[in-house]
Amino acid sequence: DGGITQSPKYLFRKEGQNVTLSCEQNLNHDAMYWYRQDPGQGLRLIYYSQIVNDFQKGDIAEGYSVSREKKESFPLTVTSAQKNPTAFYLCASSIARDNEQFFGPGTRLTVL
Amino acid sequence: DQQVKQNSPSLSVQEGRISILNCDYTNSMFDYFLWYKKYPAEGPTFLISISSIKDKNEDGRFTVFLNKSAKHLSLHIVPSQPGDSAVYFCAAATDKLIFGTGTRLQVFP
Repeated sequence: DGGITQSPKYLFRKEGQNVTLSCEQNLNHDAMYWYRQDPGQGLRLIYYSQIVNDFQKGDIAEGYSVSREKKESFPLTVTSAQKNPTAFYLCASSIARDNEQFFGPGTRLTVL
Repeated sequence: DQQVKQNSPSLSVQEGRISILNCDYTNSMFDYFLWYKKYPAEGPTFLISISSIKDKNEDGRFTVFLNKSAKHLSLHIVPSQPGDSAVYFCAAATDKLIFGTGTRLQVFP
């Protein structure tokens, strides 16, 4: 089945540690996105990539980094510079930049 | 500055009745609008969309209305079912999607 996978579903890390969240898609989509959801807030865009080896900062990129070495994969690293890393992280992909986005199941990161 | 607003954080509707979820936006450059449905601890799933050149789009029980002059978008669900209970996000697109803060819909028997 085609879709987007994110792993793990729940992740715990100690404060000060970097952590990388996985996102893989087999939909052959060019564009991929990372969002963050906090209680009572909408989805906020962290980074997006429209093509392999290219990515752009979203609205809240500080403290995060990404890579897009393969079309299928768009991992997100939450660095120790991110002041409030505990959140629900969602990865999405779309055929092109403006098209409907398909979301993965999300990863809930808790920094202790 | 919140470009896409969902002013009602929650809505409670009886099964079989109509649910109306509202969304307001400020940027007249948005050319595409979408509604997503989200269950707890899951990713949002696409529900329905509308282009800015239209004022209505219908898909089964779901209808989206767009009033460009008022910069207002609404989602109608008729008839509402308990399985519709979820958080609904509207989103508006230019070069990226801007999401509203969501409305939690509860459909009770």
